[in-house]
Amino acid sequence: EVQLVESGGGLVQPGGSLRLSCAASGFTFSSYSMNWVRQAPGKGLEWVASINEDATEEYYVDSVKGRFTISRDNAKNSLYLQMNSLRADDTAVYYCARYSGSFHCFDDWGQGTLVTVSS
Amino acid sequence: QSALTQPRSVSGSPGQSVTISCTGASSDVGGYDYVSWYQHHPGKVPKLVIYDVSQRPSGVPVRFSGSKSGTTASLTISGLQAEDEAHYFCCSFAGSLWLFGGGTKLTVL
Repeated sequence: EVQLVESGGGLVQPGGSLRLSCAASGFTFSSYSMNWVRQAPGKGLEWVASINEDATEEYYVDSVKGRFTISRDNAKNSLYLQMNSLRADDTAVYYCARYSGSFHCFDDWGQGTLVTVSS
Repeated sequence: QSALTQPRSVSGSPGQSVTISCTGASSDVGGYDYVSWYQHHPGKVPKLVIYDVSQRPSGVPVRFSGSKSGTTASLTISGLQAEDEAHYFCCSFAGSLWLFGGGTKLTVL
């Protein structure tokens, strides 16, 4: 059974940093592109970042470019999101999502971790 | 690019059919057949119900179907059941990024 478990969320002040982690199990992690998707309170989902299987390609939504960095450790079956210069509008539940090349979409998701940016 | 447009809410009685629309642009929904739909019960993990516009993953009931016309994709749920009450999100590939809809709350009356 595929499992994606996020951690690292919490309360942080504007301008601060946070590192999210996603522990993957139940599949060959190194064979899949991985993503972060977020949902702000009362809003829809927003794709944040993607990283390919061997971490040679990264993609970001414009609003986080230069502030967030996606990375992975295939030996540890883990995905990360380093978030710097956090702003109030980064407040959201952050989901780790697996990309399926067969389905051309995100076929498995974690439960999410809440990030709150507030003074 | 803007998020895809979905109605905020739809409703239907058990046994009826409902359709949720997802409107984008020629650069996303209209340009690719990579539209997917997700069911999200509060506090639970989002679940994929439709991929590639109209394909159902194994285990998803045939009551769920998808289609697309131009820049609008649609999710139809027939034979509504109480457990279908949830939020539904559409998603489309948009070249170098992914766009989601704002989400639709389905209420089963």
